[in-house]
Amino acid sequence: GIQVEQSPPDLILQEGANSTLRCNFSDSVNNLQWFHQNPWGQLINLFYIPSGTKQNGRLSATTVATERYSLLYISSSQTTDSGVYFCAPPSGSGGSNYKLTFGKGTLLTVNP
Amino acid sequence: EAQVTQNPRYLITVTGKKLTVTCSQNMNHEYMSWYRQDPGLGLRQIYYSMNVEVTDKGDVPEGYKVSRKEKRNFPLILESPSPNQTSLYFCASRGGWTGELFFGEGSRLTVL
Repeated sequence: GIQVEQSPPDLILQEGANSTLRCNFSDSVNNLQWFHQNPWGQLINLFYIPSGTKQNGRLSATTVATERYSLLYISSSQTTDSGVYFCAPPSGSGGSNYKLTFGKGTLLTVNP
Repeated sequence: EAQVTQNPRYLITVTGKKLTVTCSQNMNHEYMSWYRQDPGLGLRQIYYSMNVEVTDKGDVPEGYKVSRKEKRNFPLILESPSPNQTSLYFCASRGGWTGELFFGEGSRLTVL
Protein backbone atom coordinates (compact mmCIF):
# COMPACT_ATOMS: atom_id res chain seq x y z
CA GLY A 1 0.00 0.00 0.00
CA ILE A 2 0.88 3.64 -0.15
CA GLN A 3 3.52 4.87 2.29
CA VAL A 4 3.06 8.25 3.95
CA GLU A 5 5.78 10.17 5.74
CA GLN A 6 5.28 13.43 7.58
CA SER A 7 7.92 15.85 8.75
CA PRO A 8 8.91 17.15 11.13
CA PRO A 9 7.50 14.77 13.73
CA ASP A 10 7.53 17.53 16.35
CA LEU A 11 7.59 21.30 16.08
CA ILE A 12 7.59 23.98 18.77
CA LEU A 13 6.80 27.57 17.84
CA GLN A 14 6.30 30.89 19.52
CA GLU A 15 2.97 32.52 18.90
CA GLY A 16 3.07 34.59 15.72
CA ALA A 17 5.63 32.43 13.93
CA ASN A 18 5.06 30.76 10.58
CA SER A 19 5.59 27.08 9.83
CA THR A 20 5.55 24.53 7.03
CA LEU A 21 4.58 20.92 7.51
CA ARG A 22 5.44 18.37 4.87
CA CYS A 23 3.76 15.17 3.71
CA ASN A 24 5.52 12.79 1.32
CA PHE A 25 3.74 9.84 -0.22
CA SER A 26 5.01 6.90 -2.21
CA ASP A 27 2.42 6.59 -4.98
CA SER A 28 0.72 8.95 -7.37
CA VAL A 29 -2.52 10.25 -5.93
CA ASN A 30 -5.35 12.36 -7.27
CA ASN A 31 -6.15 14.05 -3.99
CA LEU A 32 -5.00 14.42 -0.42
CA GLN A 33 -6.57 15.56 2.82
CA TRP A 34 -5.17 17.38 5.84
CA PHE A 35 -6.59 17.00 9.34
CA HIS A 36 -5.98 18.64 12.70
CA GLN A 37 -6.40 16.84 16.02
CA ASN A 38 -6.58 19.30 18.90
CA PRO A 39 -5.15 18.56 22.36
CA TRP A 40 -8.56 17.27 23.47
CA GLY A 41 -8.57 14.66 20.73
CA GLN A 42 -11.10 16.22 18.38
CA LEU A 43 -10.38 15.62 14.68
CA ILE A 44 -11.17 18.31 12.12
CA ASN A 45 -10.91 18.08 8.35
CA LEU A 46 -8.81 21.07 7.20
CA PHE A 47 -8.44 20.58 3.47
CA TYR A 48 -9.40 18.33 0.61
CA ILE A 49 -6.90 19.18 -2.10
CA PRO A 50 -6.60 17.36 -5.43
CA SER A 51 -3.75 19.55 -6.64
CA GLY A 52 -2.57 23.11 -6.52
CA THR A 53 -3.15 25.37 -3.54
CA LYS A 54 -6.07 26.02 -1.23
CA GLN A 55 -6.33 28.64 1.47
CA ASN A 56 -8.50 28.94 4.55
CA GLY A 57 -7.65 31.91 6.71
CA ARG A 58 -4.14 31.55 8.11
CA LEU A 59 -3.80 28.04 6.75
CA SER A 60 -3.02 27.01 3.23
CA ALA A 61 -2.09 23.73 1.58
CA THR A 62 -0.28 22.89 -1.61
CA THR A 63 -0.17 19.48 -3.25
CA VAL A 64 2.28 18.62 -6.02
CA ALA A 65 0.97 15.22 -7.00
CA THR A 66 3.58 14.62 -9.70
CA GLU A 67 6.35 15.02 -7.14
CA ARG A 68 4.43 13.15 -4.44
CA TYR A 69 4.30 15.69 -1.69
CA SER A 70 2.00 18.17 -0.01
CA LEU A 71 2.76 21.13 2.23
CA LEU A 72 0.64 22.71 4.93
CA TYR A 73 1.48 26.32 5.77
CA ILE A 74 0.46 27.92 9.04
CA SER A 75 1.00 31.65 9.24
CA SER A 76 0.92 33.83 12.35
CA SER A 77 0.45 30.77 14.52
CA GLN A 78 -1.78 30.89 17.58
CA THR A 79 -1.90 28.68 20.67
CA THR A 80 -5.14 27.21 19.34
CA ASP A 81 -3.17 25.78 16.40
CA SER A 82 -1.49 23.33 18.77
CA GLY A 83 -2.17 19.67 18.20
CA VAL A 84 -1.33 16.98 15.68
CA TYR A 85 -1.60 17.53 11.95
CA PHE A 86 -2.22 14.51 9.75
CA CYS A 87 -2.15 14.13 6.01
CA ALA A 88 -4.08 11.32 4.35
CA PRO A 89 -3.88 10.37 0.69
CA PRO A 90 -6.35 7.86 -0.72
CA SER A 91 -5.20 4.27 -0.73
CA GLY A 92 -8.06 2.56 -2.52
CA SER A 93 -7.76 1.16 -6.00
CA GLY A 94 -7.78 3.76 -8.74
CA GLY A 95 -7.26 6.51 -6.19
CA SER A 96 -10.57 5.80 -4.54
CA ASN A 97 -11.32 8.19 -1.73
CA TYR A 98 -13.08 5.50 0.27
CA LYS A 99 -9.84 4.23 1.80
CA LEU A 100 -7.45 6.67 3.42
CA THR A 101 -3.95 6.08 4.74
CA PHE A 102 -2.94 8.51 7.44
CA GLY A 103 0.59 9.67 8.11
CA LYS A 104 1.86 9.48 11.68
CA GLY A 105 1.40 13.20 12.08
CA THR A 106 3.30 16.32 13.12
CA LEU A 107 2.87 17.37 16.74
CA LEU A 108 2.76 21.16 16.81
CA THR A 109 3.09 23.11 20.05
CA VAL A 110 2.54 26.86 19.93
CA ASN A 111 3.70 28.66 23.04
CA PRO A 112 2.29 32.05 24.09
CA GLU B 1 -26.44 20.71 14.64
CA ALA B 2 -24.52 18.47 12.25
CA GLN B 3 -22.78 15.79 14.19
CA VAL B 4 -21.44 12.27 14.42
CA THR B 5 -22.29 10.63 17.74
CA GLN B 6 -20.42 7.67 19.18
CA ASN B 7 -21.31 5.60 22.22
CA PRO B 8 -19.91 4.70 24.60
CA ARG B 9 -17.22 7.33 24.92
CA TYR B 10 -15.31 5.27 27.45
CA LEU B 11 -15.48 1.55 28.14
CA ILE B 12 -13.44 -0.92 30.13
CA THR B 13 -14.27 -4.54 29.40
CA VAL B 14 -12.77 -8.01 29.64
CA THR B 15 -11.41 -10.37 27.04
CA GLY B 16 -14.09 -12.23 25.12
CA LYS B 17 -17.10 -10.17 26.17
CA LYS B 18 -18.85 -9.05 22.98
CA LEU B 19 -19.38 -5.33 22.64
CA THR B 20 -20.75 -2.85 20.15
CA VAL B 21 -19.69 0.75 19.64
CA THR B 22 -22.48 2.69 18.02
CA CYS B 23 -22.06 5.51 15.51
CA SER B 24 -24.84 7.72 14.27
CA GLN B 25 -24.81 10.75 11.95
CA ASN B 26 -27.60 13.26 11.29
CA MET B 27 -26.33 14.64 7.96
CA ASN B 28 -27.76 12.02 5.59
CA HIS B 29 -24.25 11.05 4.54
CA GLU B 30 -23.68 8.03 2.31
CA TYR B 31 -20.12 7.33 3.40
CA MET B 32 -19.14 6.25 6.90
CA SER B 33 -15.93 4.81 8.26
CA TRP B 34 -14.24 3.50 11.40
CA TYR B 35 -10.65 4.20 12.47
CA ARG B 36 -8.52 3.23 15.40
CA GLN B 37 -5.76 5.43 16.79
CA ASP B 38 -2.78 4.00 18.63
CA PRO B 39 0.37 5.73 19.92
CA GLY B 40 3.12 5.64 17.33
CA LEU B 41 0.84 4.14 14.68
CA GLY B 42 -1.46 7.04 13.95
CA LEU B 43 -4.95 6.49 12.56
CA ARG B 44 -5.72 3.27 10.73
CA GLN B 45 -8.91 2.48 8.88
CA ILE B 46 -10.88 -0.55 10.07
CA TYR B 47 -13.97 -0.67 7.83
CA TYR B 48 -15.90 1.71 5.67
CA SER B 49 -19.33 1.85 4.10
CA MET B 50 -20.24 3.56 0.84
CA ASN B 51 -23.97 3.28 1.47
CA VAL B 52 -26.64 1.11 3.07
CA GLU B 53 -25.69 -2.58 2.89
CA VAL B 54 -22.35 -1.75 1.20
CA THR B 55 -19.28 -2.20 3.39
CA ASP B 56 -15.64 -3.01 2.79
CA LYS B 57 -12.46 -3.67 4.73
CA GLY B 58 -9.93 -1.04 5.57
CA ASP B 59 -6.35 -1.76 6.56
CA VAL B 60 -6.96 -3.42 9.95
CA PRO B 61 -10.32 -5.27 9.84
CA GLU B 62 -9.29 -8.38 11.79
CA GLY B 63 -11.36 -8.90 14.92
CA TYR B 64 -14.08 -6.43 13.91
CA LYS B 65 -17.44 -6.59 12.20
CA VAL B 66 -19.69 -3.85 10.91
CA SER B 67 -23.16 -3.52 9.50
CA ARG B 68 -25.01 -0.75 7.67
CA LYS B 69 -28.71 -1.43 7.79
CA GLU B 70 -29.71 2.22 7.97
CA LYS B 71 -28.06 5.22 6.42
CA ARG B 72 -27.53 7.05 9.71
CA ASN B 73 -26.01 4.17 11.72
CA PHE B 74 -22.75 2.27 11.36
CA PRO B 75 -22.01 0.17 14.46
CA LEU B 76 -18.63 -1.43 15.12
CA ILE B 77 -18.86 -4.89 16.64
CA LEU B 78 -16.14 -6.67 18.56
CA GLU B 79 -17.33 -10.26 18.82
CA SER B 80 -14.56 -11.43 21.13
CA PRO B 81 -12.43 -8.46 22.21
CA SER B 82 -8.78 -8.99 23.00
CA PRO B 83 -6.26 -6.71 24.76
CA ASN B 84 -4.70 -5.72 21.42
CA GLN B 85 -7.98 -4.03 20.55
CA THR B 86 -7.44 -1.54 23.36
CA SER B 87 -7.46 1.72 21.44
CA LEU B 88 -9.14 5.01 20.70
CA TYR B 89 -11.82 4.55 18.04
CA PHE B 90 -13.22 7.19 15.72
CA CYS B 91 -16.23 7.06 13.47
CA ALA B 92 -16.49 9.47 10.54
CA SER B 93 -18.96 10.33 7.80
CA ARG B 94 -18.88 12.24 4.52
CA GLY B 95 -21.57 13.40 2.14
CA GLY B 96 -19.82 13.24 -1.19
CA TRP B 97 -16.66 12.22 -2.96
CA THR B 98 -14.85 15.37 -1.95
CA GLY B 99 -16.88 16.41 1.03
CA GLU B 100 -15.56 17.22 4.44
CA LEU B 101 -15.00 14.18 6.65
CA PHE B 102 -16.84 14.68 9.94
CA PHE B 103 -15.48 12.78 12.94
CA GLY B 104 -17.16 11.67 16.12
CA GLU B 105 -15.58 12.52 19.46
CA GLY B 106 -13.95 9.13 19.83
CA SER B 107 -14.49 6.07 22.00
CA ARG B 108 -11.71 4.96 24.30
CA LEU B 109 -11.87 1.21 24.73
CA THR B 110 -9.79 -0.81 27.20
CA VAL B 111 -9.84 -4.60 27.05
CA LEU B 112 -8.40 -6.34 30.12
